[in-house]
Amino acid sequence: IAGITQAPTSQILAAGRRMTLRCTQDMRHNAMYWYRQDLGLGLRLIHYSNTAGTTGKGEVPDGYSVSRANTDDFPLTLASAVPSQTSVYFCASSDRQGGSPLHFGNGTRLTVT
Amino acid sequence: SQQGEEDPQALSIQEGENATMNCSYKTSINNLQWYRQNSGRGLVHLILIRSNEREKHSGRLRVTLDTSKKSSSLLITASRAADTASYFCATDPLMSRLVFGKGTKLTVNP
Repeated sequence: IAGITQAPTSQILAAGRRMTLRCTQDMRHNAMYWYRQDLGLGLRLIHYSNTAGTTGKGEVPDGYSVSRANTDDFPLTLASAVPSQTSVYFCASSDRQGGSPLHFGNGTRLTVT
Repeated sequence: SQQGEEDPQALSIQEGENATMNCSYKTSINNLQWYRQNSGRGLVHLILIRSNEREKHSGRLRVTLDTSKKSSSLLITASRAADTASYFCATDPLMSRLVFGKGTKLTVNP
């Protein structure tokens, strides 16, 4: 079934540790996105990529980095995790940038202790 | 940053009733989208309405858009227990990326 796969499903991480959240799509979509979802704050855009080889900062990029080496993969890295990064992280993709409908993965629930 | 704001934050109705959720936004948009999120899952796209459209239907869903008031509504008719979920509007500000509201949590009681 075509879609977005995120891994891991959940993770408990000690503060200061490095962590990479994986995201893979098989729809050949050009644009990919990382959002975090926090209670009372809705979804906030962390980073995005309009096409392979390019990335951009969203609303809350600090403490996170991304890369887009190819069309299918868009990993999100926390270089040194802090408790405020405890959240549910969603990867999404769309066939083009801008206002196209997004396809979401089922999220990674991350707890930083 | 500007974003859509859904109203109400929570809504509880009986099965068979209609559910109406509203969304307000601040700046001009290309289109407005509605998404549904079941507990523990990712968001699922429901419907997109362009800025030059006033109403759109998809099955039991009816979406309206009033660009003069910068508002949209999502109506779910003849609701079912399976409609229980959170519903989000997302706006596409001109020259920018999709921005989500905080959502309306809908509970449909059997």
